[in-house]
Amino acid sequence: EIVLTQSPGTLSLSPGERATLSCRASQSVSSSYLAWYQQKPGQAPRLLIYGASSRATGIPDRFSGSGSGTDFTLTISRLEPEDFAVYYCQQYGSSIFTFGPGTKVHIK
Amino acid sequence: QVQLVESGGGLVKPGGSLRLSCAASGFTFSDYYMSWIRQAPGKGLEWVSYISSSGSTIYYADSVKGRFTISRDNAKNSLYLQMNSLRAEDTAVYYCARGKYRADYWGQGTLVTVSS
Repeated sequence: EIVLTQSPGTLSLSPGERATLSCRASQSVSSSYLAWYQQKPGQAPRLLIYGASSRATGIPDRFSGSGSGTDFTLTISRLEPEDFAVYYCQQYGSSIFTFGPGTKVHIK
Repeated sequence: QVQLVESGGGLVKPGGSLRLSCAASGFTFSDYYMSWIRQAPGKGLEWVSYISSSGSTIYYADSVKGRFTISRDNAKNSLYLQMNSLRAEDTAVYYCARGKYRADYWGQGTLVTVSS
């Protein structure tokens, strides 16, 4: 089973700053099957990025994804107040979904 | 618009059973794989099970294999999760989600609490 590790665990930033979140896999992941989600308190997760770099419907272009193999990155170019949340990466492989433990982005 | 509405959660004793339902609307339900994903209080996300559009392909996480059964009724646009032999560690919000390789739409979740 592929294990996903996310870093940092917590990111303290100010609105307008750039956020760079990392997701590392224990084995190579097909880029087609790497996704990122955002979750705010009391809400269901929302799909942000799929296929490592494609934005989901309605997602602002300040969100971007990149990477391949075992290293993937979610970048938020300029943090808006509504972007402070927990972010999860997720992969699909060998008929199994796994999620990373999440990165919490909070206001500095 | 796509809507997924879960129901059936509640408080159950260890060893008990519960059946969750998910009512889907706003898309052609029979065209899509569907999943159940859970989140224990204050914890991360755990995929529980998924089912193919026809119901012919089903997978479970090891943590629920043999205890949980996923099913669907395409005529009723509904997804189900039968949960038996429930344990304290099954306590979580259970989300219904659409998709095969990723979950592109999620319901609001239903809380299952396993406690004596």
